[in-house]
Amino acid sequence: DAGITQSPRYKITETGRQVTLMCHQTWSHSYMFWYRQDLGHGLRLIYYSAAADITDKGEVPDGYVVSRSKTENFPLTLESATRSQTSVYFCASSLVFPGQNVDSPLHFGNGTRLTVT
Amino acid sequence: QKEVEQDPGPLSVPEGAIVSLNCTYSNSAFQYFMWYRQYSRKGPELLMYTYSSGNKEDGRFTAQVDKSSKYISLFIRDSQPSDSATYLCAPRSTGFQKLVFGTGTRLLVSP
Repeated sequence: DAGITQSPRYKITETGRQVTLMCHQTWSHSYMFWYRQDLGHGLRLIYYSAAADITDKGEVPDGYVVSRSKTENFPLTLESATRSQTSVYFCASSLVFPGQNVDSPLHFGNGTRLTVT
Repeated sequence: QKEVEQDPGPLSVPEGAIVSLNCTYSNSAFQYFMWYRQYSRKGPELLMYTYSSGNKEDGRFTAQVDKSSKYISLFIRDSQPSDSATYLCAPRSTGFQKLVFGTGTRLLVSP
């Protein structure tokens, strides 16, 4: 099915472990984004990518690493998970940067709920 | 001061009520205003957007912007239980500017 899929949907990991969250989109959108959503903070941008091999930091990048070797995939890695990284993580994509075209909204996946114990 | 502020709710209304969801923002550069709807355990999805000031209607939904007071509203007429969700406002400026979202208002419509 076309769309944006995230895996896993749920993940429990221990402090200090490395964990990778996967994101795959089938639209060939240029832009991809990682957000975390926390109560009281809303959606906060972690990293985004304009194309394969082009990534940039968002609002809260510390402790996260991204890569984009293929247009359709944008994995997010927590190198050494901490309890403060317990959150719901959303991947999103758009054809162009959202500010460039009002008709190019963000399309979100259904999230990965990560718990760090 | 946060760039975008929303009352988190929850806002509980009976079916058929008119609902008003609101946002305030501080950045005068915002030029268009999007509303996303997020169902429980799902990602946000674009509901509608309006450009600059004024109203925009789409079925039971009306988005309203007052740039002079930096106030954004989403009205839902004849609310349905299926409207129960969290509504996030997302003002935008043009170009490669920071993307911001409100924290969202949770709406509960009871049958």
